[in-house]
Amino acid sequence: AQSVTQLGSHVSVSEGALVLLRCNYSSSVPPYLFWYVQYPNQGLQLLLKYTTGATLVKGINGFEAEFKKSETSFHLTKPSAHMSDAAEYFCAVSEAGGYNKLIFGAGTRLAVHP
Amino acid sequence: GAVVSQHPSWVICKSGTSVKIECRSLDFQATTMFWYRQFPKQSLMLMATSNEGSKATYEQGVEKDKFLINHASLTLSTLTVTSAHPEDSSFYICSPWGLENTEAFFGQGTRLTVV
Repeated sequence: AQSVTQLGSHVSVSEGALVLLRCNYSSSVPPYLFWYVQYPNQGLQLLLKYTTGATLVKGINGFEAEFKKSETSFHLTKPSAHMSDAAEYFCAVSEAGGYNKLIFGAGTRLAVHP
Repeated sequence: GAVVSQHPSWVICKSGTSVKIECRSLDFQATTMFWYRQFPKQSLMLMATSNEGSKATYEQGVEKDKFLINHASLTLSTLTVTSAHPEDSSFYICSPWGLENTEAFFGQGTRLTVV
C-alpha cells in the first residue's frame, strides 16, 4: 500500500522568502512522485514529477523537489515566493511503471504575504 | 499538456435529482478514466476507475449504484450522481489516461452543490 503525508496543512511565507513544502511517502514498490498545484475551484496542474533518473527535479514556475529514498521524502522548494504562488499544493504517489491511481496527500495551503 | 474538458464546472441541484458530469479528452484516446472526489478542505480521493468499454471498478465505500460511470468511447466518460443528497456536495475531478501518456492530466473539476 502507498500513502503520502504532507507536514503542515498551512504554510505562510513572505514574498521573496524561501518556500518549503514537506512531503513524505510510504511505498512498498518503486514510486512515482508528483507535486500538483490547485487554485480555487480549479483542477490540478502538474508542477513536477519524479519517475527515474536524477533525484533533483525541476518544475514549472521555479519549483523544484528532491527525491530522497533514504528519507522517503519529496519536499517541494522555491527560492523566492511570489504572490501568485498562493494556492493549495498536493503531493501524490503512484506505483512505478506507468500510470496507476494517484494517492494524494492532504494538501498544504500556501499563503504569501507582502 | 493534454487537453481535458470537464463540464459543467459547477452545478446546483435539488435533493433527489440526478446530475451528469462529462469528461472529454480532446487530443488523446483515454483508455482509462479515473474519477476523484474532493470534499471541502480535504484532499482528492479516488472514487472509481473505468476502462473503455468495461464496467468501472469502485473504491471501497463508493456506491456503484449511486455513482454511475459510463466510458463508452475513448474520448468521453460520464459520471452520473443519482438521487443526489446534500452529502454528495463535493468537487468532482476526472483524470483520463491514455497508453501514450507519461503523466496524469485532470479536468477542471465540477463543483456540485445539492440543496
